[in-house]
Amino acid sequence: DAGVIQSPRHEVTEMGQEVTLRCKPISGHDYLFWYRQTMMRGLELLIYFNNNVPIDDSGMPEDRFSAKMPNASFSTLKIQPSEPRDSAVYFCASRSRGTEAFFGQGTRLTVV
Amino acid sequence: DQQVKQNSPSLSVQEGRISILNCDYTNSMFDYFLWYKKYPAEGPTFLISISSIKDKNEDGRFTVFLNKSAKHLSLHIVPSQPGDSAVYFCAASAYTGTASKLTFGTGTRLQVTL
Repeated sequence: DAGVIQSPRHEVTEMGQEVTLRCKPISGHDYLFWYRQTMMRGLELLIYFNNNVPIDDSGMPEDRFSAKMPNASFSTLKIQPSEPRDSAVYFCASRSRGTEAFFGQGTRLTVV
Repeated sequence: DQQVKQNSPSLSVQEGRISILNCDYTNSMFDYFLWYKKYPAEGPTFLISISSIKDKNEDGRFTVFLNKSAKHLSLHIVPSQPGDSAVYFCAASAYTGTASKLTFGTGTRLQVTL
């Protein structure tokens, strides 16, 4: 398996624009997590899904953030409108019961 | 409210010596602890874990110690190698009957010097 695949690897956008981050989890994994990494707060869990259903979105910072998982092999994290303080590295991770979480390589988002 | 704390943002150790990375937690419901290692431009990768029923777990050069009464865990790397230079994240979870979410610390950057 190719592991967790995220796209794009880098995204630079202007404040106010919509940003969509994409994730393909490892096949067979039924849990998917979105994390954000910042210097101040480390790795923060934003939301996680089980069998494509959102279970806990308490980490989503604001209504500007939304996440979907339309099927077992794809998830998106959308920020609309984006702000400079959203600049961070966003990670997607997947796991199944009894395994550790496997992370993608991340998307570095810069909002100018 | 940071439930998992890594108070040392960085650590420098000579090659061959022991590296000790520390982690404190506040949530007494946490019962499973992990260490992840992260290289630049890559995602974190799992390194080692420990359940709260144990106080030590060893895997090669890596040993994790858990002190539940102090709500403290540490990762020992012996001997340290230059390839160990990375950011190390401590993480914790509380089993709730479903897949537990991991709560991470802010990370410690380890630099192993020659």
